[in-house]
Amino acid sequence: EPEVTQTPSHQVTQMGQEVILRCVPISNHLYFYWYRQILGQKVEFLVSFYNNEISEKSEIFDDQFSVERPDGSNFTLKIRSTKLEDSAMYFCASSDQGSPYGYTFGSGTRLTVV
Amino acid sequence: QKEVEQNSGPLSVPEGAIASLNCTYSDRGSQSFFWYRQYSGKSPELIMSIYSNGDKEDGRFTAQLNKASQYVSLLIRDSQPSDSATYLCAAGGGSNYKLTFGKGTLLTVNP
Repeated sequence: EPEVTQTPSHQVTQMGQEVILRCVPISNHLYFYWYRQILGQKVEFLVSFYNNEISEKSEIFDDQFSVERPDGSNFTLKIRSTKLEDSAMYFCASSDQGSPYGYTFGSGTRLTVV
Repeated sequence: QKEVEQNSGPLSVPEGAIASLNCTYSDRGSQSFFWYRQYSGKSPELIMSIYSNGDKEDGRFTAQLNKASQYVSLLIRDSQPSDSATYLCAAGGGSNYKLTFGKGTLLTVNP
């Protein structure tokens, strides 16, 4: 079964540092998403990406966040100048045109900011 | 602010019983509803989707939607210990296919 692959599985970074979270969506999918889940809290939408551009972003997705699809396979989330409150599980998801809500989630990256 | 509300639980049922999970949503523009299962430390896994009023059955799972009451439920029949997980309700709407999740209900099925 096709998978969404996320790396790394766990990242520890110092406050103020930049991190890049990487995702390889399913190859024929066209819609890409980042969500995050702070421990014990809801899964929260960050950003959606379609046709090589951001289609929607949440209030959380401020100037410290950016997304890129640098080549045909990778989809990255960059967090500049990380804060303690950025510590969370970050999930990438993708879906196809025939079933745009049929998300496949990656296994997540646990980001710990110290 | 679009909200999806769920009882956080925990909901505890004996093996073989029916587990009933409930969810309400605030945005009448929501058109699509989903139940995800999430094991501790893992990613959400889609188990049911429902788009129209009424019931939808898939194996041991039945999703129910009542748009007038803005209410979604999930019934799990013949509950198994492996069903023990957090169940997330999610609502979708709009052209960008964003999901709004509830906080989840922790279900424990006791052998």
